Amino acid sequence: KNEVEQSPQNLTAQEGEFITINCSYSVGISALHWLQQHPGGGIVSLFMLSSGKKKHGRLIATINIQEKHSSLHITASHPRDSAVYICAVFRPGGATNKLIFGTGTLLAVQP
Amino acid sequence: EPEVTQTPSHQVTQMGQEVILRCVPISNHLYFYWYRQILGQKVEFLVSFYNNEISEKSEIFDDQFSVERPDGSNFTLKIRSTKLEDSAMYFCAIRGGGLGSYTFGSGTRLTVV
Repeated sequence: KNEVEQSPQNLTAQEGEFITINCSYSVGISALHWLQQHPGGGIVSLFMLSSGKKKHGRLIATINIQEKHSSLHITASHPRDSAVYICAVFRPGGATNKLIFGTGTLLAVQP
Repeated sequence: EPEVTQTPSHQVTQMGQEVILRCVPISNHLYFYWYRQILGQKVEFLVSFYNNEISEKSEIFDDQFSVERPDGSNFTLKIRSTKLEDSAMYFCAIRGGGLGSYTFGSGTRLTVV
């Protein structure tokens, strides 16, 4: 079983729709990343959070540490939001702070 | 200008050949990482590098792999004798101290034929 699970695996939305991507993890963490990966392959960090909620433009990320769950919301979605969205967690302990990745959610926003 | 530059962006190599993937961070950071992503799969941790030595490595990072910072700025991943299953996208990442956020390079797509 993966330590980090995302749902849905694939998501198709119409432009303007409100989108939610979920991430559940089964291990203790010190923080969680939401990342975006475009078709060319590059990875961009969207958010890092360890509690509560963060907002950047049309993107909102929330985390519930007790429930081991995080969500990424996109308001007023646009075709340029089409990408793979990846949840990744930091395990506590040690200086390494490597990331453990989820399998990603492929989002396609249609005009 | 990106904070982390990876070269080459794409490399095709014959099985058994050695490859060196390079990563150049613009600014000084404490922690350096290599991750890889086999096509269609999730990103996997390979190795972390701190204070000029390996701080952790995964089971994937066997004797065929090595990392170094030869001149204090470049950060390289060497695969001594490539196998078909080494074909993947390789990402370099950097991080500051504490729980500093990650910055990823644009990746090197390695194809072993």
